[in-house]
Amino acid sequence: EDKVVQSPLSLVVHEGDTVTLNCSYEVTNFRSLLWYKQEKKAPTFLFMLTSSGIEKKSGRLSSILDKKELFSILNITATQTGDSAIYLCASFTNAGKSTFGDGTTLTVKP
Amino acid sequence: GAVVSQHPSWVICKSGTSVKIECRSLDFQATTMFWYRQFPKQSLMLMATSNEGSKATYEQGVEKDKFLINHASLTLSTLTVTSAHPEDSSFYICSARKGLAGAYEQYFGPGTRLTVT
Repeated sequence: EDKVVQSPLSLVVHEGDTVTLNCSYEVTNFRSLLWYKQEKKAPTFLFMLTSSGIEKKSGRLSSILDKKELFSILNITATQTGDSAIYLCASFTNAGKSTFGDGTTLTVKP
Repeated sequence: GAVVSQHPSWVICKSGTSVKIECRSLDFQATTMFWYRQFPKQSLMLMATSNEGSKATYEQGVEKDKFLINHASLTLSTLTVTSAHPEDSSFYICSARKGLAGAYEQYFGPGTRLTVT
């Protein structure tokens, strides 16, 4: 059975801190790993990672995939209160089947 | 753009009734749509995958006769919760995949909160 594990489950930081969220996976026929941010409603797409070692960056957020060690990290630098959310990672197989992790709840205090 | 809408955004129904939730891709054609369920403080659980014009593929443990999925067109999929019970109360989210296999970016709808009394 495919498995995606995120850590930590929750994290509380202060504005300006840098955080690293972890996602490890055990997936048969792995194709891609995606990161999402979920606030009050449905998740919004952040990154899709397919190749190992290539960093994807969007503003203060960046992410990288290690296909040898089967994990990905999501970094957020200079955190703001608006970054408070649940961050989900999901694996996708070659057939397009998704498995989501339990998410990391990030709280950024002013 | 890639916008997915859901209707209704929330619904309250009585036990034993059926509820239909619509998922539409507004500005693209979605060959594949996905239905997820999310309980409070838990992650998304994939319920089924639906491809336009064919029967949905249900995940293990999801009752196909209870959760009827119809993907009638490239922009519309519906989920009908039949004979709803309080334990079906949950947040239901659909997503749509743009393009063919290989394009794994999924766009999520805003979700539908179902409360069964």
